[in-house]
Amino acid sequence: DAGVTQSPTHLIKTRGQQVTLRCSPKSGHDTVSWYQQALGQGPQFIFQYYEEEERQRGNFPDRFSGHQFPNYSSELNVNALLLGDSALYLCASSPGLGQEQFFGPGTRLTVL
Amino acid sequence: AQTVTQSQPEMSVQEAETVTLSCTYDTSESDYYLFWYKQPPSRQMILVIRQEAYKQQNATENRFSVNFQKAAKSFSLKISDSQLGDAAMYFCAYRSARSGNKLVFGAGTILRVKS
Repeated sequence: DAGVTQSPTHLIKTRGQQVTLRCSPKSGHDTVSWYQQALGQGPQFIFQYYEEEERQRGNFPDRFSGHQFPNYSSELNVNALLLGDSALYLCASSPGLGQEQFFGPGTRLTVL
Repeated sequence: AQTVTQSQPEMSVQEAETVTLSCTYDTSESDYYLFWYKQPPSRQMILVIRQEAYKQQNATENRFSVNFQKAAKSFSLKISDSQLGDAAMYFCAYRSARSGNKLVFGAGTILRVKS
């Protein structure tokens, strides 16, 4: 049984560009959350998707947007990239709201 | 807003010894969950142990146990018989019972295990 998978593993972009990160949840999971982890810090909650809708959002600007597909996979989009967006982006899935979350290996985004 | 504080940026322990990682949190809610996650250098976050706030009994998972002091808002992790594979970044996290899946993390504690 494959766990949570994320792609790509690493990504390098320049300021002002747009980026899309992808997440496939663990089998049987329908809820996906995204976190941003800056170097040396704890993860910060970005948003959560359930039934293809954003259900909860952290303190992130509208440049951060997402989507959940009918197969429960999810995308995180970041527009107008800033240097401060450089971080490890983690996806976590769970079998419903309020259940144990399983994390993916993350996507390392570097903005130059 | 809830906050989680880990006051120990780094800890070291000798193999086979016991180490305790500290965590305090701030919340006005009475129903919530607390977690310890481990993030090895390979980056994948793994759940170590969880505690429901309504349970008075401290959670235990093999060599890992917690000391949950609800009134003091303290949630420490004790690792017994430390092993080289325990070396990682450890995060304390909070989740409200009313806020879906949102986890609030502390800044983390790096645990080094010496052989």
